[in-house]
Amino acid sequence: NAGVMQNPRHLVRRRGQEARLRCSPMKGHSHVYWYRQLPEEGLKFMVYLQKENIIDESGMPKERFSAEFPKEGPSILRIQQVVRGDSAAYFCASSPKLAASTDTQYFGPGTRLTVL
Amino acid sequence: DAKTTQPTSMDCAEGRAANLPCNHSTISGNEYVYWYRQIHSQGPQYIIHGLKNNETNEMASLIITEDRKSSTLILPHATLRDTAVYYCIVVYSGGSNYKLTFGKGTLLTVNP
Repeated sequence: NAGVMQNPRHLVRRRGQEARLRCSPMKGHSHVYWYRQLPEEGLKFMVYLQKENIIDESGMPKERFSAEFPKEGPSILRIQQVVRGDSAAYFCASSPKLAASTDTQYFGPGTRLTVL
Repeated sequence: DAKTTQPTSMDCAEGRAANLPCNHSTISGNEYVYWYRQIHSQGPQYIIHGLKNNETNEMASLIITEDRKSSTLILPHATLRDTAVYYCIVVYSGGSNYKLTFGKGTLLTVNP
């Protein structure tokens, strides 16, 4: 069973360009979470999505950032007009369901975004 | 979610058991204790979780005190590849339990 897949693993963009990060959840998982890790810091929650729905985007910056999880295909985290402060590692996690008990999240290898 | 406290760093000799402590004195009855680790530049790796009872899997054992105010992650035979930052995270077992809060964790260094 393949794990969570993210691509690209490394992405270099110049200021003002757009960055698109993709995440394919584990087979059978319908819940996706995005986290950001700035240099020398811990992971911070950004957004939680189910198929075709954004459940919680309270951790997303108000501007330039958007996320989607279409019915078909991977989840996409999109950053428009990138700035140097967007340079970070972006991790995606997936889980099978959200029930009354806890629901373990499994993480992908991350995408390291560098903004020049 | 309850706040956790972990030592900043620990050392362990290869082949010996590594015991990583975590304090979560404000944990409530319906909060789980989760452990993840992050090997340099990789994504966090799930290790184990528990509620009240001690748990064991192929990676580690989790010992939770009777009052649930602290826990210990045990790697029975540490290897060099276990060098990583280990995160103890308390997760509420309700509808809003998806926001994992990663603190600074414990940097475990396994020495040859």
